[in-house]
Amino acid sequence: QQPVQSPQAVILREGEDAVINCSSSKALYSVHWYRQKHGEAPVFLMILLKGGEQKGHEKISASFNEKKQQSSLYLTASQLSYSGTYFCGTEGRTGRRALTFGSGTRLQVQP
Amino acid sequence: EAGVTQSPTHLIKTRGQQATLRCSPISGHTSVYWYQQALGLGLQFLLWYDEGEERNRGNFPPRFSGRQFPNYSSELNVNALELEDSALYLCASSLGAGQETQYFGPGTRLLVL
Repeated sequence: QQPVQSPQAVILREGEDAVINCSSSKALYSVHWYRQKHGEAPVFLMILLKGGEQKGHEKISASFNEKKQQSSLYLTASQLSYSGTYFCGTEGRTGRRALTFGSGTRLQVQP
Repeated sequence: EAGVTQSPTHLIKTRGQQATLRCSPISGHTSVYWYQQALGLGLQFLLWYDEGEERNRGNFPPRFSGRQFPNYSSELNVNALELEDSALYLCASSLGAGQETQYFGPGTRLLVL
């Protein structure tokens, strides 16, 4: 079952923060976050494994609440380079490797 | 280090024809994944190969098939092409052996006329 991402689209000014949510109706083993710019391949951001951990990379971080089967991606002090479509990919059962992706959140950062 | 490479970048076929798409994983990666990204839609999992074997398959008809070669490169074959097969086909690779992070290639854009 496809995870649900929200919001579908968001427009920010440089320096503003954003949160993108990813919810699944099934138990999750891992959540993967990617950013895709128009006409380019998805770029890996981070992976969160079962265990409720939080990860961060510079001004982008994410959390994974396995009890709620939810993950959130936090973008702080957004930069123009953050623009793109963010996808969460979920893996429901270890060993199967088939990521089920949400429909994406389109993020546009304006000067 | 070279990333995942795919060929061709674009492919135009007509209904009923066959298409062959190729993928070379990152050096040292043994797992290869194929995804379909139709216009305006998210990525749909197609196939996973590891160590030459098909390990998992998405909800696609049997005319979507593939294989992985001893050098870990992979082919995706789509037989009896239909108009709705028009999409971006993305290949990803991972280290295998429990390393889940998948790195994507630039994709092959298939247009079926």
